[in-house]
Amino acid sequence: GDSVTQMEGPVTLSEEAFLTINCTYTATGYPSLFWYVQYPGEGLQLLLKATKADDKGSNKGFEATYRKETTSFHLEKGSVQVSDSAVYFCALGRYSTLTFGKGTMLLVSP
Amino acid sequence: EAGVVQSPRYKIIEKKQPVAFWCNPISGHNTLYWYLQNLGQGPELLIRYENEEAVDDSQLPKDRFSAERLKGVDSTLKIQPAELGDSAVYLCASSFRDNSYEQYFGPGTRLTVT
Repeated sequence: GDSVTQMEGPVTLSEEAFLTINCTYTATGYPSLFWYVQYPGEGLQLLLKATKADDKGSNKGFEATYRKETTSFHLEKGSVQVSDSAVYFCALGRYSTLTFGKGTMLLVSP
Repeated sequence: EAGVVQSPRYKIIEKKQPVAFWCNPISGHNTLYWYLQNLGQGPELLIRYENEEAVDDSQLPKDRFSAERLKGVDSTLKIQPAELGDSAVYLCASSFRDNSYEQYFGPGTRLTVT
């Protein structure tokens, strides 16, 4: 069945550091790919998406490119802020259903 | 615009007791989801409603879990009887049917079964 694998956390960075959170997926066909973010005390919210191979999703300085050849959708940001501290979930969508990874906690210190 | 509302936020019960969770989705969203989130895991779908119809309940443990969405708006998820392994966060989300991957999540109900 469909599955999503994310790098283990927590990822601990200093402010203005470069961020990469790895995500790979297993699925037949051509799923859509997503990153959701959960800030402390809040519900998950959609951060960015890509619906086909080579698409790049971007939002709030975050980017991820849908790489079909490596079945990956890694999340990147050039310069993180303390306010980016949250849990990040990679997800794939097929047949109107989302399958989530386990989440990666990001902690950014001043 | 109000987000997805869930109540209660926290619930502690003894095993074998019943428990119910309530969700009010975003106005106009015809699709509603209930997810289970265990500690350190991502959300796992329990049931999906299109209006008042449950269109995917394949992952709902029907021996003890039930759900309803009367009038296609609010929804209730029930567990009876609860087991120790049911301790988790129960998330509700909603979306427009035509954009089902852009889901809006509530803050969740944290259930502890003792």
